[in-house]
Formats: sequence, structure tokens, C-alpha cells
Amino acid sequence: DIQMTQSPSSLSASVGDRVTITCRASQSISSSLNWYQQKPGKGPKLLIYDTSNLESEVPSRFSGSGSGTDFSLTISSLQREDSATYHCQQGYRTPFTFGQGTTLEIK
Amino acid sequence: HLQLQESGPGLVKPSETLSLTCTVSGGSISRSDYHWDWIRQSPGKPLEWIGDIYYNGDTYYSQSLKSRVTMSIDTSKGQFSLNVRSVTAADTAVYYCARHPRAENWFDTWGPGTPVTVSS
Repeated sequence: DIQMTQSPSSLSASVGDRVTITCRASQSISSSLNWYQQKPGKGPKLLIYDTSNLESEVPSRFSGSGSGTDFSLTISSLQREDSATYHCQQGYRTPFTFGQGTTLEIK
Repeated sequence: HLQLQESGPGLVKPSETLSLTCTVSGGSISRSDYHWDWIRQSPGKPLEWIGDIYYNGDTYYSQSLKSRVTMSIDTSKGQFSLNVRSVTAADTAVYYCARHPRAENWFDTWGPGTPVTVSS
């Protein structure tokens, strides 16, 4: 199975900050990397698919980049409502696997 | 506006069978362009993909759970289901149902999740 490693596991930032979360795959997954946002008590919400494509109605402050084994999710100007856990997921090969999650707290 | 909702017992005894249902509303479960998935998250662990089912009943299970898992679909009720046999404490998790486009490998709609505890 392809292992996904996210970093950091948690972070705290202020409104307006630029925040980057990284995800590393144990082997090349081309551009098959997706990002989800999850708030307490809810299911994950798709933010970005295939590395850099923004899902419909997702604010443009979210962006994704990378290829091969190294990927990142960037929030350009953090808003209070971005407090959540973020998960990466590889769609290159089954079983689809996820990173362990990054919990983002707003100071 | 498509919605998914999981339902089932919150407590299951060890060695018994865990049974969950996902009800799809606001859209058709019979669409040929989507698969319907089960995903779980055990405490302190990453999300884990269990498998998926297509509207015609075709299934694909993760190898790690394949020997204990069965999925089914009832298009007349707009529901699909998950059975996990011979459960242990390691099957304690929040279980999610989700949807993924047939030609793609991401999950575009999720249910809110239902917690299941395995304990005597």
C-alpha cells in the first residue's frame, strides 16, 4: 500500500497568515493527490482534486501544488472558518490511502 | 443537493457482525457515473478506505478487510450497506459513506459519519 505522511500534525496560526501543509507519498503518485477539510462532527469535504484543481465553491485562498511524491496545500490568507483538520489522499492506486491529518487552530 | 446519511447500531459485541446502511437523498444511486464507498477512521489513525460498490452490484474491497466485508446496494430504496463480520476492538471507528466519480479517484460527497464501538 502507498503510505501518505502529512506534516505538521498540528499547527496554530493567526487570521491573515499564509499556511502550508505538506503531504509526502511513499512512491510516485503522479498528480493523483486530493485534499479534504473536516470540521468536528462532520464528514470530510473535498477541497482540491488532482493536486491543484479547486472543487466547486471552495474559496480561492486555497491552492494545491506538487507532483510525484511531494505535495502541498496552501491557504493564502487564513480565515477563522478555516479551523479544521485537513487530510490528503492518494488516488493513484487502490487501496486509496490517506495521511494522518493536520489539525489547524486559529490563534 | 445530494446528501448521504449513515445509520446502524452504535455498539456491537466482539465476534458479531457490524451492519451499516447509507441512505442517499437528493440524487440517484443508480447513476452509472459514480461508485459508492465506505471509509472509516479508528481513534488516532488515518482515514481507511474499506471498499466500494457500483449501482449494478459490482464491488471492490480493500485487501486488508476483504475476507470479512460484504457490501450490497438496493437501488429501489436509494441505499447501500456494509457488513463487517467477526469484529474486534480494532473495528471501533467512525464509519463514513461517500461517493466517488467512476472515472476519478476522489470522494466528492460524504455522510456525517456514524460511530461504532466494539465492546462486550
